[in-house]
Amino acid sequence: GAGVSQSPSNKVTEKGKDVELRCDPISGHTALYWYRQSLGQGLEFLIYFQGNSAPDKSGLPSDRFSAERTGGSVSTLTIQRTQQEDSAVYLCASSYHNRGSTEAFFGQGTRLTVV
Amino acid sequence: AQSVTQLGSHVSVSEGALVLLRCNYSSSVPPYLFWYVQYPNQGLQLLLKYTSAATLVKGINGFEAEFKKSETSFHLTKPSAHMSDAAEYFCAVSDRGGANNLFFGTGTRLTVIP
Repeated sequence: GAGVSQSPSNKVTEKGKDVELRCDPISGHTALYWYRQSLGQGLEFLIYFQGNSAPDKSGLPSDRFSAERTGGSVSTLTIQRTQQEDSAVYLCASSYHNRGSTEAFFGQGTRLTVV
Repeated sequence: AQSVTQLGSHVSVSEGALVLLRCNYSSSVPPYLFWYVQYPNQGLQLLLKYTSAATLVKGINGFEAEFKKSETSFHLTKPSAHMSDAAEYFCAVSDRGGANNLFFGTGTRLTVIP
């Protein structure tokens, strides 16, 4: 596709349920990132994938959060046993590489609401 | 440690007036600095970036920003606001490069009054 595609655009889930968020990056981009945007706060880095290297998971807030990237393309962010504080917009981004002032292209995000 | 402070979570300007969105950063090394814009229900779009090549950086849609090391600032300006500029603007800093090392400010919502 022309840009980063995320699905679903909106997700409402009950507390304690697991959710999966999908990201389809721009074709040819080797780097993929997940960010979280909570109300009234800036973007918070979650996880970064670069090619076949081990992901940088340093931003994941708890072990309930995990992500994988299959075949170096599509990525899925999974949140287990969701809590109300997980409610946020989850943004995915991709870039050609991850050096210097590389520009990351962002998707429209998935708005997650935990009730 | 690096961080970004955006002064003013909401800024309102009249159509045609000067837009000034403030960003101050903290970084232990020469930083990479960015401004992103987020229109309603859309992802972030890069407006401009500073990479040490020039202190005055011109971006898309008539925006520009000036890197001032002495003031640790990277304020975003536009001479004349348009209605279409209404959006949320985020300043970000990276000291090591790479989008996984970006630290974002909390954003400034710009309202343009007709």
